[in-house]
Amino acid sequence: EKVMTQSPATLSVSPGERATLSCRASESVSIKLAWYQQKPGQAPRLLIYDASTRATGIPARFSGSGSGTEFTLTISSLQSEDFAVYYCQQFYNWPRTFGQGTKVEVK
Amino acid sequence: QLQLQESGPGLVKPSETLSLTCTVSGDSISSSSYYWGWIRQPPGKGLEWIGNIYYSESTYINPSLRSRVTISVDTSKNQFSLKLSSATAADTAVYYCAREWEFFDYWGQGTLVTVSS
Repeated sequence: EKVMTQSPATLSVSPGERATLSCRASESVSIKLAWYQQKPGQAPRLLIYDASTRATGIPARFSGSGSGTEFTLTISSLQSEDFAVYYCQQFYNWPRTFGQGTKVEVK
Repeated sequence: QLQLQESGPGLVKPSETLSLTCTVSGDSISSSSYYWGWIRQPPGKGLEWIGNIYYSESTYINPSLRSRVTISVDTSKNQFSLKLSSATAADTAVYYCAREWEFFDYWGQGTLVTVSS
């Protein structure tokens, strides 16, 4: 099973600032990585797949990069609606595994 | 627009079987090339993939749950189901169903299942 580790656990950012979230895989997952956003009481929403491809309807301020074992989600200018928990997920193989999440909070 | 909706008891007694159904609308389970999956999230914690099923009934189950999980599909009702036997308090979680094409692009709203006597 591939273990996904996200850092930091909590990121405090002011609106309008840039946020950089990290995800590390215990073994290479190539580019088979997705990012999700989850707000309280809601299901996760797909943001990015194949490490850097934005899902339908996702704003351009969200971008993903990386391959192998190191990945980054960048939110270029945080909007009020972006404060949430973000999860990475590998789909290189089964079982699918998620990181433990990064909470982006208002500084 | 594809929609998924979980249904089932919100309270299960310890040692009993947790049973949930996901009803899919806006797409046919048997005509698409997707897997249909279950993911859970204990209160205040992260996401855990439980398993999935293809319309042909082939399944992949998380090894950590394999001995207790059964996933089935009813193409006539456009539904797929989850059964988790010998439930314990550790199985208390919000259970989501989702469409799986490697990643999960459509999710149900989730349903909270509490395991308690």
